[in-house]
Amino acid sequence: AQRVTQPEKLLSVFKGAPVELKCNYSYSGSPELFWYVQYSRQRLQLLLRHISRESIKGFTADLNKGETSFHLKKPFAQEEDSAMYYCALSTYHGSGNTGKLIFGQGTTLQVKP
Amino acid sequence: DGGITQSPKYLFRKEGQNVTLSCEQNLNHDAMYWYRQDPGQGLRLIYYSQIVNDFQKGDIAEGYSVSREKKESFPLTVTSAQKNPTAFYLCASSIQGAAGELFFGEGSRLTVL
Repeated sequence: AQRVTQPEKLLSVFKGAPVELKCNYSYSGSPELFWYVQYSRQRLQLLLRHISRESIKGFTADLNKGETSFHLKKPFAQEEDSAMYYCALSTYHGSGNTGKLIFGQGTTLQVKP
Repeated sequence: DGGITQSPKYLFRKEGQNVTLSCEQNLNHDAMYWYRQDPGQGLRLIYYSQIVNDFQKGDIAEGYSVSREKKESFPLTVTSAQKNPTAFYLCASSIQGAAGELFFGEGSRLTVL
C-alpha cells in the first residue's frame, strides 16, 4: 500500500532551536518525495523535493530508502517558519509518472519567541 | 496574473442539493487535481485529470463527479450522494511529467446545513 505518515500533529519549539519534522512512507517502487508548506492565510506551496537536494529557507530533507523516511530539518527555527507542513509521495506507473501525489496528515510547526 | 482560481471561496448548501466548485487555471498546465482537506487527515485525492476529456478517480471519488472539457477548467460537483461533504476543497495543477510539483488554488470551503 502507498502511504505517507507524519506522526506528529503538532511540533512546538522555541526560536533558534533545531527542528525535525518526521515523515515516513510506504511504497514498493521508486519514490519521489516532497515537502509542501501552508503559511497562515496563504496557498499550499511546494517547499522542496528530494531530487533537487536543495535547501530552501534553511530547510533540508534527505531521502533514506533504508528507513523509508524523508524528515525535514532546520538547524535554527525562526518564528516565520510557523506553518502547516505536509510530506508527499509521488508514485510511478510504468510508462511514466502519473503525477498522483499522496499526502501525509500534516504537522503544524509552532515556533515560539 | 497567472495562477489557479477557485470559486466560490465559501459555499453553503442544504442537504440533498448538488453543488459545483469551479477551478480555472491560466498556467497552460495539462494536469489538474482536486483534493479534500480535513483536519487531522491531510489532503486526500478526489479526482485528477492528465489531459482534456480524460480523468481518473482518486482515493475518495464516491459522491463526486468532474469534467475536463477544456484544458484550463476542471469543475468538481459534490453530489447528494456524498455522505460528509462539509470540507475544504483544493484544486491544483501541474505540468505533465513534473509530478509532485503542484500549484494550488486558495481553496473553497463547503458547508452543508
